[in-house]
Amino acid sequence: EDQVTQSPEALRLQEGESSSLNCSYTVSGLRGLFWYRQDPGKGPEFLFTLYSAGEEKEKERLKATLTKKESFLHITAPKPEDSATYLCAVHLASNYQLIWGAGTKLIIKP
Amino acid sequence: EAQVTQNPRYLITVTGKKLTVTCSQNMNHEYMSWYRQDPGLGLRQIYYSMNVEVTDKGDVPEGYKVSRKEKRNFPLILESPSPNQTSLYFCASSSSPRGGDGYTFGSGTRLTVV
Repeated sequence: EDQVTQSPEALRLQEGESSSLNCSYTVSGLRGLFWYRQDPGKGPEFLFTLYSAGEEKEKERLKATLTKKESFLHITAPKPEDSATYLCAVHLASNYQLIWGAGTKLIIKP
Repeated sequence: EAQVTQNPRYLITVTGKKLTVTCSQNMNHEYMSWYRQDPGLGLRQIYYSMNVEVTDKGDVPEGYKVSRKEKRNFPLILESPSPNQTSLYFCASSSSPRGGDGYTFGSGTRLTVV
């Protein structure tokens, strides 16, 4: 069964304390892996697309990496405004559906 | 401003009373999709549409209907809502079904069925 698992469920960090979020996947074929940010009461906001193992993408304090089994979202020196739920999704090679993880709720304390 | 607009934002209804949640996008996107989001389960796709008059089932289509008569609009219809359809609903659109440039999501519709 195709599955996407995110860990941890929640992460509390002090401002400036770097860390990583994990997205592991078990799918029959990967067309692409997506990272989104979701603020309370809002729809998810697109961050990155990764297509192949070894690929990396960066945006401000965020860097996403991809291996054959998982993806990491690295957050460097986070600020309180980085607090949000981060969602990972995998686009299956067999069809046009996305399989979503349940998300990691990130809280950055000032 | 490029956006996906959903209405209403909040809706409380009774079991069995037909309702429609509207979704409209102004980006000329071909691909549109409906999701529901429940705590601990992540986003689950209900229906998607590749273009006008082309729709297909997602992972959890039971109890829902959609139509795509115009490119910009993709309404979600609940013919006879039940309490297990209480959820947060999102409409999304993209220039292609692969979503390589990302999907644009609406702000969500929180539905409560009593």
